[in-house]
Amino acid sequence: QQPVQSPQAVILREGEDAVINCSSSKALYSVHWYRQKHGEAPVFLMILLKGGEQMRHEKISASFNEKKQQSSLYLTASQLSYSGTYFCGTGLQGAQKLVFGQGTRLTINP
Amino acid sequence: NAGVTQTPKFQVLKTGQSMTLQCAQDMNHEYMSWYRQDPGMGLRLIHYSVGAGITDQGEVPNGYNVSRSTTEDFPLRLLSAAPSQTSVYFCASSRRGLSAGELFFGEGSRLTVL
Repeated sequence: QQPVQSPQAVILREGEDAVINCSSSKALYSVHWYRQKHGEAPVFLMILLKGGEQMRHEKISASFNEKKQQSSLYLTASQLSYSGTYFCGTGLQGAQKLVFGQGTRLTINP
Repeated sequence: NAGVTQTPKFQVLKTGQSMTLQCAQDMNHEYMSWYRQDPGMGLRLIHYSVGAGITDQGEVPNGYNVSRSTTEDFPLRLLSAAPSQTSVYFCASSRRGLSAGELFFGEGSRLTVL
């Protein structure tokens, strides 16, 4: 099943913070985060593995709670360039399928 | 460095026609996959391959065939196109499989079925 992302959409002013959540009903081995700008291909941000550490990409960080099968993406002091749709993808142990959530559209206004 | 190349970028088909979306990567990646993207649905996995000669089904495989005769190429065949297959299709590759990290995506192929 697809992981569930929340919220579906966020509107921020430049410099504000945001949190995007991703939850699954299955025991996860990995969580991947991607950003897609309109009309472009998704671009990799980071991967979190079971038993691994919290990851960071510029001012974006993410955590992975294995017990709750949840991951959160934290965008700190958002910049205009952070606008786009964020997708989480989840992987199971031993499986090579990456299943994506429905996406969270982030709009950053000046 | 070309990365992942998809052709064609745009295609219009009539219901019942067949066609092949091409995907090639020049990074010597073992893992390749096809996704379709529809508004509000995110990216849904169609088929994937962990190496030449090995393919497997994703979430939405019906109506699509794949083969992987070489490491570089992973074509997606639509056997008899239906309007429900109107979508944007992305091919993606990864060096060693999903736990190794990054999927590299092609620019996408926009398909319209009338």
